[in-house]
Amino acid sequence: KAGVTQTPRYLIKTRGQQVTLSCSPISGHRSVSWYQQTPGQGLQFLFEYFSETQRNKGNFPGRFSGRQFSNSRSEMNVSTLELGDSALYLCASSLVLRGGETQYFGPGTRLLVL
Amino acid sequence: AQKVTQAQTEISVVEKEDVTLDCVYETRDTTYYLFWYKQPPSGELVFLIRRNSFDEQNEISGRYSWNFQKSTSSFNFTITASQVVDSAVYFCALSGPRGNQGGKLIFGQGTELSVKP
Repeated sequence: KAGVTQTPRYLIKTRGQQVTLSCSPISGHRSVSWYQQTPGQGLQFLFEYFSETQRNKGNFPGRFSGRQFSNSRSEMNVSTLELGDSALYLCASSLVLRGGETQYFGPGTRLLVL
Repeated sequence: AQKVTQAQTEISVVEKEDVTLDCVYETRDTTYYLFWYKQPPSGELVFLIRRNSFDEQNEISGRYSWNFQKSTSSFNFTITASQVVDSAVYFCALSGPRGNQGGKLIFGQGTELSVKP
């Protein structure tokens, strides 16, 4: 099975712009979660989508948003970029099971905001 | 509140040494899940193991072993006979049951392991 894929892998933007990142989950996985990784804050949960619905949201401003399509692919959008948004954005997919689930991560998108 | 603490920021060992990475967690959930992930320089988080709160059996997979102790809220990871390829940042993570913010992983700050030849 192919793993989680994320596009683009690298991105350079300037302050004030907006950006859209894409994530394709492992085939059959319906849950997609997004995380932000920075040297200062570490790995932080952004949000999770399951069956096209946002199920859980982390403590991030409204500039961070996402959506999920019927094929489980997900996008996240960051509007009005700030320098502090420079980070590695990781997407993970999982099978939702009663006995617990494991999140499998993609290679990430490295965003640099200038 | 849920919290994961990895007190060791960096560890440096020489090849073939054994090394243990510590992880201490806090949660009020009676059902929870613990994970270890490896992050090589490429950035991708690689899943290593998941342990359910109701299963305290230790696990061994090749050179890797995990010691889960609910009494001390710890989930430590040992690499036996370390190799240069083990050099990476290792993260311990915690999640609750799906009905209670499931799908959200709480990560520790990570331990950077450097294995020198």
